[in-house]
Amino acid sequence: AQSVTQPDIHITVSEGASLELRCNYSYGATPYLFWYVQSPGQGLQLLLKYFSGDTLVQGIKGFEAEFKRSQSSFNLRKPSVHWSDAAEYFCAVGPDNYGQNFVFGPGTRLSVLP
Amino acid sequence: ETGVTQTPRHLVMGMTNKKSLKCEQHLGHNAMYWYKQSAKKPLELMFVYSLEERVENNSVPSRFSPECPNSSHLFLHLHTLQPEDSALYLCASRGTGGAGELFFGEGSRLTVL
Repeated sequence: AQSVTQPDIHITVSEGASLELRCNYSYGATPYLFWYVQSPGQGLQLLLKYFSGDTLVQGIKGFEAEFKRSQSSFNLRKPSVHWSDAAEYFCAVGPDNYGQNFVFGPGTRLSVLP
Repeated sequence: ETGVTQTPRHLVMGMTNKKSLKCEQHLGHNAMYWYKQSAKKPLELMFVYSLEERVENNSVPSRFSPECPNSSHLFLHLHTLQPEDSALYLCASRGTGGAGELFFGEGSRLTVL
């Protein structure tokens, strides 16, 4: 069965510092991978996605993620964090061609210090 | 309007009430989802409808009853809920084809007294 782990429950960084949020997945085939962001009281917004091709994908708000098959990882990075990036971040594995279920990780809460 | 719209945004109900959550998508998608988001827990898939047919029912108690009258609308009917059902209920939609992402609404915050 598919599963997603995000080892860090809560991360605090200073504004302007770099950020890396970890995501590991378990999936039998080539996965479809996603990162979503959720601000308090809001729904989830897609940051970026990986389906195939270039393993380094660019997203919105200056985020990028790298797919590493050998490590079953899809870590999210940003070179310089802004105070507005404080939110909850979710990694997800999408369904195969025959399914509909997305599996989400437990989330990583990001706090940003001024 | 664009995207996925959920109403109401906030709902407080007693355990004996009957209420409904509504979701509407304007993206031309044909799959719609209900997720439950509780504090300290991962998102839990509740139901998936594809082409107005229920294709996933993730062992959800019968006090939650989904309805999908057409591909643009999805309801979650609530009856005799428990306090532990208090959560953020998220609706999402997705297009056809293998690799589409989910588009989420802003959620309905439910409090059961």
